[in-house]
Amino acid sequence: GAGVSQSPSNKVTEKGKDVELRCDPISGHTALYWYRQRLGQGLEFLIYFQGNSAPDKSGLPSDRFSAERTGGSVSTLTIQRTQQEDSAVYLCASSPYQAEEGYTFGSGTRLTVV
Amino acid sequence: DQQVKQNSPSLSVQEGRISILNCDYTNSMFDYFLWYKKYPAEGPTFLISISSIKDKNEDGRFTVFLNKSAKHLSLHIVPSQPGDSAVYFCAGLWGGGADGLTFGKGTHLIIQP
Repeated sequence: GAGVSQSPSNKVTEKGKDVELRCDPISGHTALYWYRQRLGQGLEFLIYFQGNSAPDKSGLPSDRFSAERTGGSVSTLTIQRTQQEDSAVYLCASSPYQAEEGYTFGSGTRLTVV
Repeated sequence: DQQVKQNSPSLSVQEGRISILNCDYTNSMFDYFLWYKKYPAEGPTFLISISSIKDKNEDGRFTVFLNKSAKHLSLHIVPSQPGDSAVYFCAGLWGGGADGLTFGKGTHLIIQP
C-alpha cells in the first residue's frame, strides 16, 4: 500500500490480558517508530527501529512493553498484562533514512483497557 | 522535562484571518523542527519543516518562522480556511539522537466561519 498501515484500528481488552499491535510501514522506509498518545497528552515516543541496527527502546514505559521488527519491515508492539493506564492511541510512523522531511504516520490503534 | 512546549491548548481564528501557532523548545541540539496536523481518528500528517540554520520556510499558505536566540518557532497560516481546523503538533528532531521526534502537546486550531 501507499501509506503506513496499522491493525487493528480499535482494540478493547480486559486488564491483565496481552495485546499485539501491528504496523506495516511504507516499502523502502528504513526507519520505523512507535508513539502513543494518551488522552489530553502529546505524542510520546516509545521505540525506534533503523534498518538492521539494534532498536532504541529508551521510550518504553515498562518491561511489559516490547516490540520487534521482522525482516526490516512489519513491526509488532506487544503489551503484556495490560493496565488501564495503557489505554491510548498507539501510532506507528516510518521514514526514509533522512527524516527531515517528516515521518508518515499510520492512523493508529485505539487501545482501551477495561 | 518537556523539551518542546506548546502553551496554547486551543486557538480560535476567524476564517480568512491569519492563524499563528507558537512553539518553544529547550533542547539546543535540535537540527530540524517540524509541524504536523492531526484530524480526529487519523494519524498526524506532515505539514512543513525548517532547518535550524534557517529562520523562515514558506510553503503556500503555511510559513514557519524560527527564532533560535529565543528558542521559539511559529507556524503562520494565511488565509485560514475551515479545513485547517485540526490539532497542530510542533516537533524537534535531533539528528544525533536516535529517539525520533520530540513532540509538543499540540494546539487545537478552530477556524470559525
